[in-house]
Amino acid sequence: KAGVTQTPRYLIKTRGQQVTLSCSPISGHRSVSWYQQTPGQGLQFLFEYFSETQRNKGNFPGRFSGRQFSNSRSEMNVSTLELGDSALYLCASSLSAGLAKNIQYFGAGTRLSVL
Amino acid sequence: GNSVTQMEGPVTLSEEAFLTINCTYTATGYPSLFWYVQYPGEGLQLLLKATKADDKGSNKGFEATYRKETTSFHLEKGSVQVSDSAVYFCALSDHQAGTALIFGKGTTLSVSS
Repeated sequence: KAGVTQTPRYLIKTRGQQVTLSCSPISGHRSVSWYQQTPGQGLQFLFEYFSETQRNKGNFPGRFSGRQFSNSRSEMNVSTLELGDSALYLCASSLSAGLAKNIQYFGAGTRLSVL
Repeated sequence: GNSVTQMEGPVTLSEEAFLTINCTYTATGYPSLFWYVQYPGEGLQLLLKATKADDKGSNKGFEATYRKETTSFHLEKGSVQVSDSAVYFCALSDHQAGTALIFGKGTTLSVSS
């Protein structure tokens, strides 16, 4: 069974640009969550999608947005990039949403560098 | 709010040494607790989990017990190997946050032969 796939693996952008990251969950998983990992702040939850609806949102500005498609694939968009957005963005999928005991399976991440 | 505190690294050990990485949490209600491991250049892999008090999670020789009275979930391994070198993250999720994980800062483990 294929794992969580994130594309692209690496991205370089300049300040002010926007970027879209993609995540394909494990087959049969309907929940997709996104996390930002930086050396200073560690791992922080961005948002979770289930059945094309945002179920939960972390404490990030509105420049960060996402969506989920009917096949459970998800995209994350960051507009008006800032230097501080440089990070590893991780996607995780799980069977369903809203249960604390759910296991989340992570992709390898997209490394975004903002110059 | 909910939070996870784990010991700062790096932790440097010789092969076959005993490992403990401390993790304590603050949460309302009864969270589920997890240990994830991240190898260089990779995403996170679930190492073990516990969903209620006194549960013991175990995998690949690693163990952790959910201690509600001390709000702790310390990771232990009796004999580490060079291949265990990685960053270890303690995390929780609770019924209010649903699936969303709250992570500790991570502890880097380096094992030498």
